[in-house]
Amino acid sequence: EAGVVQSPRYKIIEKKQPVAFWCNPISGHNTLYWYLQNLGQGPELLIRYENEEAVDDSQLPKDRFSAERLKGVDSTLKIQPAELGDSAVYLCASSPPGKGETQYFGPGTRLLVL
Amino acid sequence: QKEVEQNSGPLSVPEGAIASLNCTYSDRGSQSFFWYRQYSGKSPELIMFIYSNGDKEDGRFTAQLNKASQYVSLLIRDSQPSDSATYLCAVMGGGSNYKLTFGKGTLLTVNP
Repeated sequence: EAGVVQSPRYKIIEKKQPVAFWCNPISGHNTLYWYLQNLGQGPELLIRYENEEAVDDSQLPKDRFSAERLKGVDSTLKIQPAELGDSAVYLCASSPPGKGETQYFGPGTRLLVL
Repeated sequence: QKEVEQNSGPLSVPEGAIASLNCTYSDRGSQSFFWYRQYSGKSPELIMFIYSNGDKEDGRFTAQLNKASQYVSLLIRDSQPSDSATYLCAVMGGGSNYKLTFGKGTLLTVNP
């Protein structure tokens, strides 16, 4: 079974530029999560989707961050414009229906904003 | 603000010893408790989770939960160099919230 797929794995951009991350969850997993992990910290939830609905986006900085999961499968997280402090690892995770306690993480996208 | 506290370490143990990792949490409403392992440059990997007070064993790993003291621990028996990683404690509220709140992690080094 393929795991959670994320791309790109690495991204370097200059501040004020836009950037987008893509995630494809494990097949059959209807719940998708985007987490942010700063160096030396644990992951922090940005947004959670149940199918195509964002059910928890309370931690998403909506002035510059947006996300979508139009067909309830893959998802895109966007930052526009990026700031220096956005440099971090962006992790996507998914879980099967009714089993949110079992979250499988993708490899992450490491973002560096210069 | 819900908090999960862990000693950042590093915790260093010799090969074959028992490694003991500790975690405390602030939200008494937390229902589920998780231990993730994260190798350097990799993503977190779920080791085990526990719901009820007491011990839960899975191979060389034992999770211990004391809700009254708001304390979770992970014991790793017969530690191996391959266990060297950061161990993240996480908690989840009840119902279908499914939001994990992570601690900062404890770096474990197992010396051959």
